[in-house]
Amino acid sequence: EAEVAQSPRYKITEKSQAVAFWCDPISGHATLYWYRQILGQGPELLVQFQDESVVDDSQLPKDRFSAERLKGVDSTLKIQPAELGDSAMYLCASSSRLSYNEQFFGPGTRLTVL
Amino acid sequence: SQQGEEDPQALSIQEGENATMNCSYKTSINNLQWYRQNSGRGLVHLILIRSNEREKHSGRLRVTLDTSKKSSSLLITASRAADTASYFCATVSDRGSTLGRLYFGRGTQLTVWP
Repeated sequence: EAEVAQSPRYKITEKSQAVAFWCDPISGHATLYWYRQILGQGPELLVQFQDESVVDDSQLPKDRFSAERLKGVDSTLKIQPAELGDSAMYLCASSSRLSYNEQFFGPGTRLTVL
Repeated sequence: SQQGEEDPQALSIQEGENATMNCSYKTSINNLQWYRQNSGRGLVHLILIRSNEREKHSGRLRVTLDTSKKSSSLLITASRAADTASYFCATVSDRGSTLGRLYFGRGTQLTVWP
């Protein structure tokens, strides 16, 4: 069964360092989402791509976060510099054009900033 | 805020009992979805109910939607230990927001004891 892949699964870094997360959506899914989930809360959308274009990054802290999906397939989310408050689970999800209401989530990357 | 809010925050029951979780939201919606998240993992889509539907079933799951009260409930019948997870409701706005964007609540942590 097709799945959304994410790496790494866990990342520990010191504040002020740069970190990057990678996501490979389900093949053929045009829409890709990055969410941040703080412990004890629900996921919050950071950025949404339609193919290679950003369609919603209103909640992305653009002074330190960046995201790209250059060829409209896999995507990278970067944080530079990382801050203590960035410790969270970063989830990637994808959906197809025909069934855009159902999002398929990857296992997430657990980030700890020391 | 368009986020849903689940109630209760935590629920603990015995195997075989039914579990009911509630979700309230503030703005008009296109649809409402329920997701499950096992500890430290990604989310799994459970069921979607559209704004013109009142009830929907899927296996042991029953979802109701009352748009006049802006509320939904998720019922899991004959619960099993494997149902232990966090359950989130997520809403999709009907007001010109980015297509398919989900707004999640904080979730209900369900524990089912053998």
